[in-house]
Amino acid sequence: EAQVTQNPRYLITVTGKKLTVTCSQNMNHEYMSWYRQDPGLGLRQIYYSMNVEVTDKGDVPEGYKVSRKEKRNFPLILESPSPNQTSLYFCASSLNRGTYEQYFGPGTRLTVT
Amino acid sequence: GENVEQHPSTLSVQEGDSAVIKCTYSDSASNYFPWYKQELGKRPQLIIDIRSNVGEKKDQRIAVTLNKTAKHFSLHITETQPEDSAVYFCAARAASGGSYIPTFGRGTSLIVHP
Repeated sequence: EAQVTQNPRYLITVTGKKLTVTCSQNMNHEYMSWYRQDPGLGLRQIYYSMNVEVTDKGDVPEGYKVSRKEKRNFPLILESPSPNQTSLYFCASSLNRGTYEQYFGPGTRLTVT
Repeated sequence: GENVEQHPSTLSVQEGDSAVIKCTYSDSASNYFPWYKQELGKRPQLIIDIRSNVGEKKDQRIAVTLNKTAKHFSLHITETQPEDSAVYFCAARAASGGSYIPTFGRGTSLIVHP
């Protein structure tokens, strides 16, 4: 089954404790991205990747890191989480630059206390 | 970069009525305009999209219109049903430069009352 998976789905952590949210897709997609969703603000792009080893900042990259060592995986890293990073996070992928439709993962609800 | 404005933020209708959600975009080079539906606790899912070479597209009870001159596009849902209740997001994707990944509006919470 073609899908985008994220882990964990729910995470409660404390300020400053490094964490990684994994994202994986099995559709051989080139494009992957991370969004955060906050009430009233919609979906805001954090980072995106056009292909392996190619990543770039989105609209709200501060406090986040990403890597793309393999085509299928695009982890989101919070080196020192803060309460303002409490949010719902979505990973998404699309086939390539010429293909428009994005497929979203199930979301990760992160709470930083 | 692209900027997408979406209105209204909340829309309440009676079952059977029509619902219209409007979006404007800033980058005249944008060429792809998807609409996503997000049910409570679920991921966003594409419901319809339109490309800049057409002015209207329909899929059963859902239609999208695009006015490139005015840089706005709209989602129309006819004969609304309670299962249409969800948050709807519009987006616009620039044709060149940037991330090639759509910029989203802030969302419209549609409530359909039985």
